[in-house]
Amino acid sequence: DTGVSQDPRHKITKRGQNVTFRCDPISEHNRLYWYRQTLGQGPEFLTYFQNEAQLEKSRLLSDRFSAERPKGSFSTLEIQRTEQGDSAMYLCASSSGDAHYNEQFFGPGTRLTVL
Amino acid sequence: AQSVTQLDSQVPVFEEAPVELRCNYSSSVSVYLFWYVQYPNQGLQLLLKYLSGSTLVKGINGFEAEFNKSQTSFHLRKPSVHISDTAEYFCAVISREYGNKLVFGAGTILRVKS
Repeated sequence: DTGVSQDPRHKITKRGQNVTFRCDPISEHNRLYWYRQTLGQGPEFLTYFQNEAQLEKSRLLSDRFSAERPKGSFSTLEIQRTEQGDSAMYLCASSSGDAHYNEQFFGPGTRLTVL
Repeated sequence: AQSVTQLDSQVPVFEEAPVELRCNYSSSVSVYLFWYVQYPNQGLQLLLKYLSGSTLVKGINGFEAEFNKSQTSFHLRKPSVHISDTAEYFCAVISREYGNKLVFGAGTILRVKS
């Protein structure tokens, strides 16, 4: 297994544009998490999926953000009408089992820059 | 109050010296504690975790951490560091008070000098 992969690794966009990121978790991991990390801070939880069901969303996730995991495998995170404040590293992680304390395996992240 | 506080943003240390990276958390209920490491251009990797049992936890790459409930701390230590340990280290906690999700500290950059 090659681990968690994310695409693209870098994205530069203009304010107001829509962007979409993809995460491919470790195969057979039923849980998938999205985090956001800004400069000088640790990752902050955004949302997570158990299989294809999105079970929780942070209040950090405004209505411009939407995440999907249609077949319980890969996931996409879309940001509509991007703002400069959306500039950050977006991290994806996956884990197996039903507990949040099970080890989460992180991808390398997608760095978003909004001009 | 900050859920997880990493007291040092950067720690410079010479190769083969011991190091301690400090982490304090705020929670009045039981917690699970973690240390992750992030090497440049790589994803976060779990170093070690405390779920229950022995308060001294050993992890990968020679790191260990001690859970101190009375001081609400989970400091990370290594008796002798290598250049390859240069990375950013994140302490994280799971607690019912924070919705049972991983809550990370701001990170500590460990710089090992030769």
